[in-house]
Amino acid sequence: KQEVTQIPAALSVPEGENLVLNCSFTDSAIYNLQWFRQDPGKGLTSLLLIQSSQREQTSGRLNASLDKSSGRSTLYIAASQPGDSATYLCAVGSYNTDKLIFGTGTRLQVFP
Amino acid sequence: NAGVMQNPRHLVRRRGQEARLRCSPMKGHSHVYWYRQLPEEGLKFMVYLQKENIIDESGMPKERFSAEFPKEGPSILRIQQVVRGDSAAYFCASSPHARETQYFGPGTRLLVL
Repeated sequence: KQEVTQIPAALSVPEGENLVLNCSFTDSAIYNLQWFRQDPGKGLTSLLLIQSSQREQTSGRLNASLDKSSGRSTLYIAASQPGDSATYLCAVGSYNTDKLIFGTGTRLQVFP
Repeated sequence: NAGVMQNPRHLVRRRGQEARLRCSPMKGHSHVYWYRQLPEEGLKFMVYLQKENIIDESGMPKERFSAEFPKEGPSILRIQQVVRGDSAAYFCASSPHARETQYFGPGTRLLVL
C-alpha cells in the first residue's frame, strides 16, 4: 500500500531564503509525481509534474527532483517571497492503483 | 480547451438534505476521480469512474454516498441525508486514460448546517 509523507509539516522562514520541501513514498512503482500549491480555502494549483522517466522539472524559481529508487522527491524554492506562503502538497500516481495518493502537506509561511 | 468544471462552487445544506455535486471533465477525458478534503486534512480518494462504470469506489463511504458518470452529461457525486461531518471540499479530476496525469477542478465546498 502506497503511503506518502511530507516533511516538514510546517515551515516559517524570512523572505529571500532558499527552501527544500520533502516528499517520500513507500512504493517505487510510480508513473508520476506531482507538486501542488493550495491557498487557504482555495483549490489546487499544479506546480510541477515529474513523469517516472524524468529526474527533475523546473519552472521559474521552482525545481522538483525525483529519485524513485529511494522513494523521494524534493521541491526546491529559490529566493522565497511572502507570496509563496501556502500549503504545498505532493501526490503520487502508482501503477498498482488508479488513484493519486496525497501527502499531508507542508504549510509554508514566508514573512517579510 | 476548458479545464475541469465543477459546480456549484459552494453549497450549503441543512442536516438531512441531499447534496448533488457536478463535475464536467476536460474534453476528451473519459476518466473521472473524486477526492475529499476534510477541514485541516489532506485529500483522500473517494471514487474512480469511467464512462457509465464505477471502477474503484474503495474510498467512498458505503452509506449515503453514490457516484455516477453517465454516457452524456457530467459526473455526479450524490450525498443523501447529509450530516455535519460531510462538510468538506470535494475535488474532481479527470484524465484521458487510466494512470495518466489527472487535472483537477476548482472544487465544491459543502457546508452542512
